[in-house]
Amino acid sequence: TQLLEQSPQFLSIQEGENLTVYCNSSSVFSSLQWYRQEPGEGPVLLVTVVTGGEVKKLKRLTFQFGDARKDSSLHITAAQPGDTGLYLCAGDIGTSGSRLTFGEGTQLTVNP
Amino acid sequence: EPEVTQTPSHQVTQMGQEVILRCVPISNHLYFYWYRQILGQKVEFLVSFYNNEISEKSEIFDDQFSVERPDGSNFTLKIRSTKLEDSAMYFCASSVGYGYTFGSGTRLTVV
Repeated sequence: TQLLEQSPQFLSIQEGENLTVYCNSSSVFSSLQWYRQEPGEGPVLLVTVVTGGEVKKLKRLTFQFGDARKDSSLHITAAQPGDTGLYLCAGDIGTSGSRLTFGEGTQLTVNP
Repeated sequence: EPEVTQTPSHQVTQMGQEVILRCVPISNHLYFYWYRQILGQKVEFLVSFYNNEISEKSEIFDDQFSVERPDGSNFTLKIRSTKLEDSAMYFCASSVGYGYTFGSGTRLTVV
């Protein structure tokens, strides 16, 4: 069974601060995906990383896939209140179309 | 932006009753999925569907569950005899490769 552990579980910061959240596993994943989930809604895909060491940027968000494809990080620069939400990482071990294993998420609160 | 549409958004049912949750995936997607999220817990995989058949299912997806793509656009999840522990948010998703599009979910409450 593949497990993804996210840390920290909760993070509360002030507007303008930088932060990094982590997603770790002992398993190797074919791809790692990051989602954001609002209360009562489905996860919304932010990014997919598929190559070890890959770095992708989405405005103020930077995603990195570990060289061994077992871990990933999400860095947010100059956080804004609109970044508040639950950030989920999810990995799959097979080809496209295989099941995703989700982490429990990091609940981020950015205070004005 | 294309969306995955789920109906109903909320469903309350009595224990032992059958429920059917409905989804309209994105039209050019090839893979379809059902996930569930019990309140306060992580999102869990139930089943994946490709080329009109189940391609993978989890240990949660027992004989009480079934999926169907009856008409080329809808994708349904049926729970034959609901239990209290089936209460959860059920998410449909579809994909054409890596990266899924999830629907907004159906909140199922079994009383």
